[in-house]
Amino acid sequence: EDQVTQSPEALRLQEGESSSLNCSYTVSGLRGLFWYRQDPGKGPEFLFTLYSAGEEKEKERLKATLTKKESFLHITAPKPEDSATYLCAVSPAGSARQLTFGSGTQLTVLP
Amino acid sequence: DAGVIQSPRHEVTEMGQEVTLRCKPISGHNSLFWYRQTMMRGLELLIYFNNNVPIDDSGMPEDRFSAKMPNASFSTLKIQPSEPRDSAVYFCASTTLNTGELFFGEGSRLTVL
Repeated sequence: EDQVTQSPEALRLQEGESSSLNCSYTVSGLRGLFWYRQDPGKGPEFLFTLYSAGEEKEKERLKATLTKKESFLHITAPKPEDSATYLCAVSPAGSARQLTFGSGTQLTVLP
Repeated sequence: DAGVIQSPRHEVTEMGQEVTLRCKPISGHNSLFWYRQTMMRGLELLIYFNNNVPIDDSGMPEDRFSAKMPNASFSTLKIQPSEPRDSAVYFCASTTLNTGELFFGEGSRLTVL
């Protein structure tokens, strides 16, 4: 069974304090690994797709990386507006469009 | 682009009542998904459609749940009869067959008393 584990569950940072979120996964062949951001009362918003080990994607202060067993979401010099829950999801090979989501990391960036 | 539109945003009902949640996917998207989110279980896939055809409904918890997609621009998720354990936020998402990124609606928060 596909499994996605995110850590930590919650993270509090001071503005400008860089850190990383972890997503460990077990899947029978990976079609893609996805990162989403979810704000309170909103639906998840797509950030990145990673397809193969060694791949990296960047968007503003966020950079996602992928290995064969885990993915990291690096946050450089975060701002309060980066506060949100970050969700990781995997899509197994041959599964069409099904995604299995992790439970998320709730990030709070203090001014 | 209007995005994925869900209604109602909030629904409070009593146990045993029928609940119908509605979704309008993004125009041109041909895959539609229904997810349920709770604190305990996170985001769970209930069912998804490709080109209006249900492909996998293995996530539908019980026969009390049913979903339809009569055309490319509308889908419903129905719970009959509803129970307190059905309380959750229900999300609809859409995408094209050629990409993996899902576009989510803002969700329908269901409370069953």
